[in-house]
Amino acid sequence: EIVLTQSPGTLSVSPGERATLSCRANESVSSSYLAWYQQRPGQAPRLLISGASLRATGIPDRFSGSGSGTDFTLTIGRLEPEDFAVYYCQQCGASPPTFGQGTKLEIK
Amino acid sequence: EVRLLESGGDLVQPGGSLRLSCAASGFPLSSYAVNWVRQAPGKGLEWVSSFSTDGRTYYSDSVNGRFTIFRDNSKNTVSLEMNSLTAEDTAIYFCTRGRRPVAGRGPKYYYDFWGQGTLVTVSS
Repeated sequence: EIVLTQSPGTLSVSPGERATLSCRANESVSSSYLAWYQQRPGQAPRLLISGASLRATGIPDRFSGSGSGTDFTLTIGRLEPEDFAVYYCQQCGASPPTFGQGTKLEIK
Repeated sequence: EVRLLESGGDLVQPGGSLRLSCAASGFPLSSYAVNWVRQAPGKGLEWVSSFSTDGRTYYSDSVNGRFTIFRDNSKNTVSLEMNSLTAEDTAIYFCTRGRRPVAGRGPKYYYDFWGQGTLVTVSS
């Protein structure tokens, strides 16, 4: 199965600053099959990005995704208080679909 | 409005069985894949099972042979029958709507809508 490794495990950033989260796969993933989710405490995950860079409906444009092959990035510009959460990447190009272990974005 | 509502989570003894249900509204269930994704306490996300639009079913290795997913179009529900439960099955189980980035087969979905989850605890 494809293993996704997210880094860092925890990222401390101040509100208003930019955050950059990484997702690395142990083998190539087509960009079409890479998604990002946000999970706030006590809530279900929410789709942010599909196809590596396509924002889901209602997602603010401060969220952007990029990357290809084995390296993907989620960037959050101008952090708002509600952005501090856990973020997961997911690949669905190979079976089984797999998730990264998550990056916790915390307030600095 | 798309909504997914899980039910059926409970405390069950090791070796026991449980059935989870996912009630969908706001979209035709037969036109979308429905999946179960779980999250053990304090842990990450793990895909469990998928029911595709063509009726094919898929399972992770960890539940294959113990879990069965099925759909009832008349009730707009997808259920997960879980047998031979172990402590490793303890988790919040989320029902999700799946979307294929590219036409094809297999559980190749990302999940555009999630339910709030139902807690399954396997313990004596």
